[in-house]
Amino acid sequence: DGGITQSPKYLFRKEGQNVTLSCEQNLNHDAMYWYRQDPGQGLRLIYYSQIVNDFQKGDIAEGYSVSREKKESFPLTVTSAQKNPTAFYLCASSRRMEDEKLFFGSGTQLSVL
Amino acid sequence: DQQVKQNSPSLSVQEGRISILNCDYTNSMFDYFLWYKKYPAEGPTFLISISSIKDKNEDGRFTVFLNKSAKHLSLHIVPSQPGDSAVYFCAASVDAGNMLTFGGGTRLMVKP
Repeated sequence: DGGITQSPKYLFRKEGQNVTLSCEQNLNHDAMYWYRQDPGQGLRLIYYSQIVNDFQKGDIAEGYSVSREKKESFPLTVTSAQKNPTAFYLCASSRRMEDEKLFFGSGTQLSVL
Repeated sequence: DQQVKQNSPSLSVQEGRISILNCDYTNSMFDYFLWYKKYPAEGPTFLISISSIKDKNEDGRFTVFLNKSAKHLSLHIVPSQPGDSAVYFCAASVDAGNMLTFGGGTRLMVKP
């Protein structure tokens, strides 16, 4: 079955630590995205990538970094510079950037110890 | 400043009745609107969309209405079923290929 796999489902970060959230898709989609969800708020875009080896900052990129070395993979690193990292993180993909119908993974809940 | 707002954080409806979820937006440049449905511990899934050239789009039990002059859209679910209990997000974009802006979500509870 095609889809998007995010891992781990739950992740804990210590102060000053960098952590990486995994996102893999086998849908052969060109575009991939990372969103952050906080309680009572909509999904906010962190980073997006239209194609391999290219990515752009979204609305709240500070304290995060990404890479897109392979079409199917778009890992997100939450760095120590992100002062409020506790949130639910969602990875998504679409066939192309022009396609607004996003396919989402099941998310990673990140908490700070 | 939130450009897409869902002012009702939750809604409770009896099974078989109509559920109406509302969404308001402030950016008049938005011309494509979508609804996503999200179950706990899962990612959102696409439900239905509408472009600004239409004022209604229907798919089975789900109908989305767009009122451009009021900058308002709504999702109607008729009849509501317990399996419809989820969080519903509306989203909007300016032209195809631009980023989606999401509302804060409305939690729908359909009681048997």
